[in-house]
Amino acid sequence: QAVVTQEPSLTVSPGGTVTLTCGSSTGAVTSNHYPYWFQQKPGQAPRTLIYDTSNKHSGTPARFSGSLLGGKAALTLSGAQPEDEAEYYCLLSYNGARVFGGGAKLTVL
Amino acid sequence: EVQLVESGGGLVNPGGSLRLSCAASGFTFSTAWMNWVRQAPGEGLEWVGRIKTKTDGETTDYAAPVKGRFAISRDDSKNTVYLQMNSLKTEDTAVYYCITKNFWGQGTLVTVSS
Repeated sequence: QAVVTQEPSLTVSPGGTVTLTCGSSTGAVTSNHYPYWFQQKPGQAPRTLIYDTSNKHSGTPARFSGSLLGGKAALTLSGAQPEDEAEYYCLLSYNGARVFGGGAKLTVL
Repeated sequence: EVQLVESGGGLVNPGGSLRLSCAASGFTFSTAWMNWVRQAPGEGLEWVGRIKTKTDGETTDYAAPVKGRFAISRDDSKNTVYLQMNSLKTEDTAVYYCITKNFWGQGTLVTVSS
């Protein structure tokens, strides 16, 4: 089974910009992996932010964007807000199976 | 409004079985692929499996740790998807979520313990 890797933790200043990445043990991440990004706050169910690399789910703030960057999927947060402090997970598809990354804890400080 | 409501969680002995349900509303259920994802206490998300639509053959795929023990099925007349879990292990302890069309349910807790 493929392994999906994320930075375990990142810190961003309020109003700042940060990019979270999602890599694959099988090689470069492409649009054929249909990358997803999810946000989870403590005690809550996850919610979908981005699907199919760069499409925003309804309700996703405009400050979040998805892309492919340097062979990885990327989630960029521009203009971080205190409420963006959360765990972020990516998900990649592999011929029917899907694999989550280990999650990235984002601190807004 | 899309709503997904999971039920059926609880405490079960190792080696036992449990069936989870996910009741869906707010969209055309028969056209939706349905996924199950779980999260062990204090851990990250783990994809469990997915069932396609009847049109797509109701094909199922599973993660390696549950293949052969778990089975996903659907009843389009009831707008419900099921997760049958057999030969349960302590490591199956988790909150189980149902997901479709980028929407998540609130989850149901399964605890496998003697």
